[in-house]
Amino acid sequence: GAVVSQHPSWVICKSGTSVKIECRSLDFQATTMFWYRQFPKQSLMLMATSNEGSKATYEQGVEKDKFLINHASLTLSTLTVTSAHPEDSSFYICSARFQGLVKNIQYFGAGTRLSVL
Amino acid sequence: GNSVTQMEGPVTLSEEAFLTINCTYTATGYPSLFWYVQYPGEGLQLLLKATKADDKGSNKGFEATYRKETTSFHLEKGSVQVSDSAVYFCALTFAQGGSEKLVFGKGMKLTVNP
Repeated sequence: GAVVSQHPSWVICKSGTSVKIECRSLDFQATTMFWYRQFPKQSLMLMATSNEGSKATYEQGVEKDKFLINHASLTLSTLTVTSAHPEDSSFYICSARFQGLVKNIQYFGAGTRLSVL
Repeated sequence: GNSVTQMEGPVTLSEEAFLTINCTYTATGYPSLFWYVQYPGEGLQLLLKATKADDKGSNKGFEATYRKETTSFHLEKGSVQVSDSAVYFCALTFAQGGSEKLVFGKGMKLTVNP
């Protein structure tokens, strides 16, 4: 089936640095990619929706300048956490929706655990 | 608003035990309902879905029925296996701004012991 690869799976960084997380669709072209954030014992919270070649649509309360999303191709979307701080430590998950496949289904990456020291 | 409430775990069962994970939802309109499963070290995978009232989704021995009258989508399996150990998420989709969005419950961790 469709596979979404997310990299890295775990990253530790110093406060003030920027971190880039990649989300790749390996088998299909992804018309839309989604980025979620998950806090411990909480549900996944949608951060933004990105369509290839256009600007991402951010959910209310998500800082656009803090979480930069680029969806430059149909197989790659990146999330950059800029000037990361300890409160940005979380589990970030991407998903993709593919052209031509079953409607409404999102395929998920394994997630990236970000720890900011 | 749109929200999903599901049983919180963690839950530990013995192999061949009966499993029920409760899920209720609040939604405007007519959402589609889903169960996703996340095995250790992997991404969320769609387990089953139902798109309208009284639909029953089923997969790998799991079942869930879309109950509009009780706004529920409870997940059941008659006999769990060790390989069913995972985190289970109930979710719904709703349309907003021309895009379909997923809303998840908090997830429930299931451990099945031999």
